Amino acid sequence: EPEVTQTPSHQVTQMGQEVILRCVPISNHLYFYWYRQILGQKVEFLVSFYNNEISEKSEIFDDQFSVERPDGSNFTLKIRSTKLEDSAMYFCASSALGRGSHEQYFGPGTRLTVT
Amino acid sequence: LAKTTQPISMDSYEGQEVNITCSHNNIATNDYITWYQQFPSQGPRFIIQGYKTKVTNEVASLFIPADRKSSTLSLPRVSLSDTAVYYCLVPSGGYNKLIFGAGTRLAVHP
Repeated sequence: EPEVTQTPSHQVTQMGQEVILRCVPISNHLYFYWYRQILGQKVEFLVSFYNNEISEKSEIFDDQFSVERPDGSNFTLKIRSTKLEDSAMYFCASSALGRGSHEQYFGPGTRLTVT
Repeated sequence: LAKTTQPISMDSYEGQEVNITCSHNNIATNDYITWYQQFPSQGPRFIIQGYKTKVTNEVASLFIPADRKSSTLSLPRVSLSDTAVYYCLVPSGGYNKLIFGAGTRLAVHP
């Protein structure tokens, strides 16, 4: 069964450093997403991406965040200057269908720890 | 944006059927209802989606009454491995971003 993969599984970084979280969505999917979950809290939407551009983003997704699909398989989330409050699990997801479908496939997540 | 309300937690025993009800009083005419499952330290997993009446797959059933103001996720004969958080979602009005609430924490006991 195809699955979304994410690397690394755990990233530790110092405050102010840049991090790039990587995801490989399911190969025939066209819609890509990033979510995050702070320990003990809800899963929060960050951004959706389609046709090489951002479709929608949340208030959390400020200028410190960016997404990119550098090639035909990877989808990345970059945090330019990490803050302590960026510590969370970051989940990538992908879906085959767009508006109206809510069947998304999530990766196992990257645990980001900012010290 | 349809607000959803579901119990914070539920307990059950192995082999029992579990029904988790979600209310969504202001669901829009075209909205679907979607349920996800999340195990600790894992990403959410799509379980089932429906619009009206009943939908069944290999994992669960989803019952939606005619007024669609609530829905019930039914898990037949649960096992310890069904211990997880279950989320009821109704579209945000945006493209297809998922807006998760706190979910229902289901604990299955031996």
